[in-house]
Amino acid sequence: KQEVTQIPAALSVPEGENLVLNCSFTDSAIYNLQWFRQDPGKGLTSLLLIQSSQREQTSGRLNASLDKSSGRSTLYIAASQPGDSATYLCAVFYGNNRLAFGKGNQVVVIP
Amino acid sequence: DAGVTQSPTHLIKTRGQHVTLRCSPISGHKSVSWYQQVLGQGPQFIFQYYEKEERGRGNFPDRFSARQFPNYSSELNVNALLLGDSALYLCASSFGDRGDGETQYFGPGTRLLVL
Repeated sequence: KQEVTQIPAALSVPEGENLVLNCSFTDSAIYNLQWFRQDPGKGLTSLLLIQSSQREQTSGRLNASLDKSSGRSTLYIAASQPGDSATYLCAVFYGNNRLAFGKGNQVVVIP
Repeated sequence: DAGVTQSPTHLIKTRGQHVTLRCSPISGHKSVSWYQQVLGQGPQFIFQYYEKEERGRGNFPDRFSARQFPNYSSELNVNALLLGDSALYLCASSFGDRGDGETQYFGPGTRLLVL
């Protein structure tokens, strides 16, 4: 069974600092991996999909890396802003469109 | 273009009742998946449908069922509601059903409270 872990559960950073969010998964035979953002009480917003054959994917201030051999993905958010405050979820595909999620990193960016 | 839509947004039921949740995918998307998110946890996979066929089922009891209609919209049904069914139910859609997974787009969810 694929298990996804995100540590720490919560973190606070001052505005302008770079954010580094880590995700680990138990089964390295994953397919693709997707990062999401969730605001309180809301649905999930897709941030990035990184394919299993890729090492990195970038979108604006966001950069995601994937190291299948070590079972890790990292999401970098450059120059954090208060609007980046949210919960960030990592999810791995384990067959077709089925996702296994971590519990998320709850981020607060302090102005 | 409209994103994934779900109805209703909120619902309150009592134990033992039945509930039906609805999802309309992004126009042109043929795959719909359902997830349950309990407070403080990540979403848990319930069902996936593609071209009206069930393609996957998560570890949920038979009280949970779903279907997909010819227009690719979907319903999730839960019978004999338990207090533990209280959660945010999320629907996701994608164009196809690639073996390695393709970008999933989620709706705003239906918040179900069982009393």
